[in-house]
Amino acid sequence: NAGVTQTPKFQVLKTGQSMTLQCAQDMNHNSMYWYRQDPGMGLRLIYYSASEGTTDKGEVPNGYNVSRLNKREFSLRLESAAPSQTSVYFCASSDQGGNNEQFFGPGTRLTVL
Amino acid sequence: GDSVTQMEGPVTLSEEAFLTINCTYTATGYPSLFWYVQYPGEGLQLLLKATKADDKGSNKGFEATYRKETTSFHLEKGSVQVSDSAVYFCALRRNSGYALNFGKGTSLLVTP
Repeated sequence: NAGVTQTPKFQVLKTGQSMTLQCAQDMNHNSMYWYRQDPGMGLRLIYYSASEGTTDKGEVPNGYNVSRLNKREFSLRLESAAPSQTSVYFCASSDQGGNNEQFFGPGTRLTVL
Repeated sequence: GDSVTQMEGPVTLSEEAFLTINCTYTATGYPSLFWYVQYPGEGLQLLLKATKADDKGSNKGFEATYRKETTSFHLEKGSVQVSDSAVYFCALRRNSGYALNFGKGTSLLVTP
């Protein structure tokens, strides 16, 4: 099993450009998440999908959109990138339920110039 | 709202030293508590967890006890190794929720 995979690993954008970060999991998990990690800030939740067909905003959703394409895939889109969106983005998945472990992907390092 | 506070790093220890990383939380109800570890260049991995008061989570020599009276979940290890060098995150999740609420992370460097 590959677990949680993310593409791309690195990306450099210019201000105003758009892009989509891809995430897929092969563990048959119901719930998926997007976090961003900034120095000294820990991880902050952008959006999550409790189950296929549903998405909800997290702590820092502004400037992002998501799509739960199917049970395996959960993408994050930046419509008009800004320097403040320079960060490392992590996707995670878990079985539905309050105490189930979240499994994280390796991350995407995004720089917006 | 819910929050997690961790001791600031970086923490530098010699191999075989005792490790404590403090973590306290603020939350309503009875959240589940977690420690995650992030090795350089990688994603986060679950290290241990506890789901109710007085539970002790343990894994790979690390331990943490859920203390509701002090709202704490401190991470300890009796003898650290160079391979333990990483960033450690304390996190909580409400039992009615899905997402994790993370602390800012504590960087640990273990020297030979």
